[in-house]
Amino acid sequence: KNQVEQSPQSLIILEGKNCTLQCNYTVSPFSNLRWYKQDTGRGPVSLTIMTFSENTKSNGRYTATLDADTKQSSLHITASQLSDSASYICVVTRSNYGGSQGNLIFGKGTKLSVKP
Amino acid sequence: GAVVSQHPSWVICKSGTSVKIECRSLDFQATTMFWYRQFPKQSLMLMATSNEGSKATYEQGVEKDKFLINHASLTLSTLTVTSAHPEDSSFYICSAWQGIHFFGPGTRLTVL
Repeated sequence: KNQVEQSPQSLIILEGKNCTLQCNYTVSPFSNLRWYKQDTGRGPVSLTIMTFSENTKSNGRYTATLDADTKQSSLHITASQLSDSASYICVVTRSNYGGSQGNLIFGKGTKLSVKP
Repeated sequence: GAVVSQHPSWVICKSGTSVKIECRSLDFQATTMFWYRQFPKQSLMLMATSNEGSKATYEQGVEKDKFLINHASLTLSTLTVTSAHPEDSSFYICSAWQGIHFFGPGTRLTVL
């Protein structure tokens, strides 16, 4: 079964601290993995995208890693800010079937709260 | 980056009425758009794939007669929730494909 599991479900950290969010997937065939940030009541916004051959990708204070062998990914947030408070969603894309780009498998997200 | 808008951002309606939600790609043409539903503390669930000029493709368990999708142009897809009931209350999000998915800001539907 194609699934994306994220942990922890929720996380509270103090402003300025670092944190790491985890994503394990059992999606096949694998095309790519993306991390999205979703503010409450808003649509998801892409942070990073990683393909099979990529191990690490950074976007400012966000660094994503991918281990395609163990099917694990992480999102590391450095020097957290209050504005980082949001849900972070791991999304894995299955390879195209008949040209469809809709084959996304969503994790339930990790709700991050950054406190002053 | 590409911008996708949704209208309205929130709507409250009475049970039995129909509600139309618009999804627009503002600076690119999207032959394919997607509609999702998200319940509280749940992940996004794909409802249907909207194809410009052809019928939408619905996911298993999604009633096509209840959730009408029209993709009349390369920049606009609409989702109409017909005869809405309280259980249809949810956060509806669209996305447009241009290499990656660009998501709209979502529409909060509350059915009384």
